[in-house]
Amino acid sequence: KAGVTQTPRYLIKTRGQQVTLSCSPISGHRSVSWYQQTPGQGLQFLFEYFSETQRNKGNFPGRFSGRQFSNSRSEMNVSTLELGDSALYLCASRESSGPEETQYFGPGTRLLVL
Amino acid sequence: AQSVTQLGSHVSVSEGALVLLRCNYSSSVPPYLFWYVQYPNQGLQLLLKYTTGATLVKGINGFEAEFKKSETSFHLTKPSAHMSDAAEYFCAVKNQAGTALIFGKGTTLSVSS
Repeated sequence: KAGVTQTPRYLIKTRGQQVTLSCSPISGHRSVSWYQQTPGQGLQFLFEYFSETQRNKGNFPGRFSGRQFSNSRSEMNVSTLELGDSALYLCASRESSGPEETQYFGPGTRLLVL
Repeated sequence: AQSVTQLGSHVSVSEGALVLLRCNYSSSVPPYLFWYVQYPNQGLQLLLKYTTGATLVKGINGFEAEFKKSETSFHLTKPSAHMSDAAEYFCAVKNQAGTALIFGKGTTLSVSS
């Protein structure tokens, strides 16, 4: 099976703009999670979607939002970009909602905000 | 609340030496524990996980970890380091709801010849 894919891989934006990142999970996986990775804060959970419903959300401002489509593909959006939003954004998918299920990560989208 | 502490942000070993990366966790429920590896400019790859059952868990690339409840630890080991093991390693615990991973700060492993 193909792994988790994320597009685009690299992105440069300026402050105040908005950005949309895309994630395609492994075929058959219904859960998609998003994480932000920065040198200062490390890996932090943004939100999880399962069967098009947001199940959990991390401690991020409302500028960060997401959605999941009926084919399990997911997008996350960041509005009014700030310099501190520069990060590697990782998407992960898993087959079901069980806590023991392994999350498989994509290669990430590296966002640079100027 | 769940949390993870990785002792040592940087570990250096010689090729062929034992690798030991330390992870301690805090959890209010029986933990689900994971070790992931990240190579430069890549995502995270699962090395191994502990859910229930056997406390010694074997993973890929010769790595293993032992779940010790009394010590709240889940240290990662490999008997003999290879140059290709140089990467960043993350220990993680599932949150109480089982919906998200809580990661440690990571340990960068350097391997010298």
